[in-house]
Amino acid sequence: DQQVKQNSPSLSVQEGRISILNCDYTNSMFDYFLWYKKYPAEGPTFLISISSIKDKNEDGRFTVFLNKSAKHLSLHIVPSQPGDSAVYFCAAADRGSTLGRLYFGRGTQLTVWP
Amino acid sequence: EPEVTQTPSHQVTQMGQEVILRCVPISNHLYFYWYRQILGQKVEFLVSFYNNEISEKSEIFDDQFSVERPDGSNFTLKIRSTKLEDSAMYFCASNRDRGSYNSPLHFGNGTRLTVT
Repeated sequence: DQQVKQNSPSLSVQEGRISILNCDYTNSMFDYFLWYKKYPAEGPTFLISISSIKDKNEDGRFTVFLNKSAKHLSLHIVPSQPGDSAVYFCAAADRGSTLGRLYFGRGTQLTVWP
Repeated sequence: EPEVTQTPSHQVTQMGQEVILRCVPISNHLYFYWYRQILGQKVEFLVSFYNNEISEKSEIFDDQFSVERPDGSNFTLKIRSTKLEDSAMYFCASNRDRGSYNSPLHFGNGTRLTVT
């Protein structure tokens, strides 16, 4: 099951710079996308979402971009902070499942160094 | 901020034994879920539950698995006869509104199940 792919298992960024995390999907039925952050020994924490009617959603330092034609989304974190170091999961939901079935990518470990 | 709580944090069991993983969802949430993550793998959907019945389940959720809301606060996942491949982190989640469009899932910290 490779419906949601995060091809970069890790990303290392200097504090203050931009972090860009990428995600691709294959299922054209997906119409809602979310990013979750996960620290060790904790569950995933919701970060930001976007529906397919938009191409951008911004919340503070976090912006998610959606390119439907390319079936690609990205999460931008500006400026990056050491506390942002975590695993970031991209997740997607489709129209046929209205009750919270999310399809996750494998995650990208972000490390922000001072 | 209210949170989803899961107990125990770590459960070790022998193959063939039954285990029950417990969760207390956020109090005003109506939709409940179990997900799992095998080490190094993706977080995978197991089951969703609403109004005291299963709404949707994945192919992973076979007859060995069951869920229950025995009272007004707990939500449990039972594995009847555990197998080695059931070893994983199990996450409980809940949300308030119908579907993730309106409210994202809130996850607990997980129960690490180790089957020996």
